[in-house]
Amino acid sequence: QMQMQESGPGLVKPSETLSLTCTVSGTSLNSRDYHWGWIRQSPGKALEWIGSLFHTGSTYYNPSLQSRLAMSVDASKNQFSLRLNSVTAADTAIYYCARILITYSYVIDFWGQGTLVAVSS
Amino acid sequence: DIQMTQSPSSLSASVGDRVTITCRASDNINRFLNWFQQQPGKAPKLLIFTTSRLQTGVPSRFSGSGSGTDFTLTITDLQPEDFATYYCQQSHSSPYSFGQGTRLE
Repeated sequence: QMQMQESGPGLVKPSETLSLTCTVSGTSLNSRDYHWGWIRQSPGKALEWIGSLFHTGSTYYNPSLQSRLAMSVDASKNQFSLRLNSVTAADTAIYYCARILITYSYVIDFWGQGTLVAVSS
Repeated sequence: DIQMTQSPSSLSASVGDRVTITCRASDNINRFLNWFQQQPGKAPKLLIFTTSRLQTGVPSRFSGSGSGTDFTLTITDLQPEDFATYYCQQSHSSPYSFGQGTRLE
C-alpha cells in the first residue's frame, strides 16, 4: 500500500531556509507516469501549488515561488525534497507532498498527510 | 495565471439533499478541472478529474460537468461523511491553481 510521509522542522526562523523531505513507500519514484510535488495550505486558507519534479530531476515551479525554491530527488532512497529560502511569516502553512499523474493531465491523485511549518522567531 | 472562483463559499444542507457547487475559471481550461474533498485536519482527497471522471472508490453520488470556464460538482443523496470542504483545481496550465473552497455544512 502506497504511503507518502513528510518530514522536517516544524519551526523555521524568518529569513532562513525551510527544508522538507517526502519519503515514499509502496511504489517507486522511477515512473514515467508521475510527477512528485508539493502543495501548501496556509491556516484557514486555500491550497497553493508549489511545484513538482520528475524522477530524472526535471523541475516545474510556481513562478511566484521560483526565485526561492529548489526541489530535488533521491531515487535510491525513494525520497524527494523541498527547499524554500528567505522565508517569512507568509510561508507558514501545512505542506503536503503528493503524487501527480501526468499521462493525460496533471492530476494530484495521492497526498501525504501534511506537515505544519511555522515561520517565527 | 488562471484564477479559479468557487461559489458558494459555504453551503448548508441536510442528509439526503442534492447540492451543486460551481467553479469558474478566468480563462478557457477545456475540461482540465479536478475536484477535491477535504475533511478537517486531513489532506485533500481526489474525487473527480478532467471534469467528470470519478476517482477509483469514489461513490457514484458524486458527479461533475462543464467545459471551458464553467464547471459544477453535484452530490446527490448527501451522506454524513460528505460534509467537508470542496476545492476545484485547474490542471490546464501552470501554475495549477485551486479555488478558494466551498464548505458544506
